[in-house]
Parts: sequence; structure tokens; C-alpha cells
Amino acid sequence: EPEVTQTPSHQVTQMGQEVILRCVPISNHLYFYWYRQILGQKVEFLVSFYNNEISEKSEIFDDQFSVERPDGSNFTLKIRSTKLEDSAMYFCASSLVGTGNTEAFFGQGTRLTVV
Amino acid sequence: TQLLEQSPQFLSIQEGENLTVYCNSSSVFSSLQWYRQEPGEGPVLLVTVVTGGEVKKLKRLTFQFGDARKDSSLHITAAQPGDTGLYLCAGNSGYALNFGKGTSLLVTP
Repeated sequence: EPEVTQTPSHQVTQMGQEVILRCVPISNHLYFYWYRQILGQKVEFLVSFYNNEISEKSEIFDDQFSVERPDGSNFTLKIRSTKLEDSAMYFCASSLVGTGNTEAFFGQGTRLTVV
Repeated sequence: TQLLEQSPQFLSIQEGENLTVYCNSSSVFSSLQWYRQEPGEGPVLLVTVVTGGEVKKLKRLTFQFGDARKDSSLHITAAQPGDTGLYLCAGNSGYALNFGKGTSLLVTP
């Protein structure tokens, strides 16, 4: 069964460092997303991406964050200068449809720890 | 932001019992999804409901979408320890999925 894969599964980084989280969405999906979940809190939307551009972003997705689809398979989230409060599980997701009836399939997540 | 309230927050039951968890909002959703999440893993899609009043069954799980498309319920019959997990509802808001905080279910043998 097709699945969304994310690497690395764990990432520890020092405050102020840049990190890149990587995702391979399901191959025929057109819409890609990043969500995050701070420990003990709900899953929060960060950004959606379609046709090589951001289609929607939340207040969380500030100038420190960027996304890119560098080739036909990968989808990345970059955090330029990490802060302690960026520590969270980051989930990539993909879907065939973007709005209205979005069945999003999630990866296993990357646990980011900023020290 | 359209808020989704899930109740109860925690539920601990014994194997074989039935249970119902709820997802409520003051907003209308075009569709609503239920996910199950295990600790340290990503949410896994269980079902999508689209039509008001719709009922979908997935083995021992029954999902219902309210007539006004503002609320949904998940009923589990004869719960098993393998049903343990965090059950999340999520509604479409533009391109984003807006998640509730979830119901954490523990089924003990």
C-alpha cells in the first residue's frame, strides 16, 4: 500500500541551527502538507503546497519556515533558525484532492528536538 | 479557526464493552474525517464522512455525521485492546485539516 515516508525519524539540533525535514509523498498525490504536534497538544496545520507553490499557510508558518519540492518526489520543510519552541513532531501528508473532501495520508513523523 | 471539540478527553474501558466518542463544532464542515493515532506515530485515516446524516461502518466501528454537518460520533462495539489509541476528528477548512484534541481510549483485557 502506498505510504508517505519521512526522514529522519528523529532530529536533535542546537538552537539557532537550520534543519531540513524530508518527505516523500504518495506518488500520484497532488497536494502536500506539513503539520506539527507539540507534545500533548493537538495536530496543527502549518502549510499546504500545490503546483509548486504554497496554497495556504497558518500563523505558525512564519518567515523562519519554508517549503520546497526540489524534484519530482521529495517535499521538504526548512526551519532557518530553530527555537526551543520548535520542538515537536512534524508530520508530512499528501492528498489527491485539496479542498472540500481532503483525505490526507500522513507519514510517521519526524521528532524534532531543539536544545 | 473552526474549533472541533472532542469528548470525552479520556476513556478507559474493559474489553468487550461498547463506547461512543463525540466530535462537535459550531461550524459546518464540507467533510469530516476520523483518524487514529498511536504514540509517536502519524495519524492514520479511518473514514471520511461527507453527507449530512451519513453512517459508515468499518468492522466494529460505526461513524455518523450529523444532519447539519456540524458534529460526528464514533461508536465502537465490543472494544478490544487493539482499539487502544488516540481518536482524532478533523474537518476541512480551506486546504487545511482542522483537528480536534482527540479522545484517548484505553481498552484493558
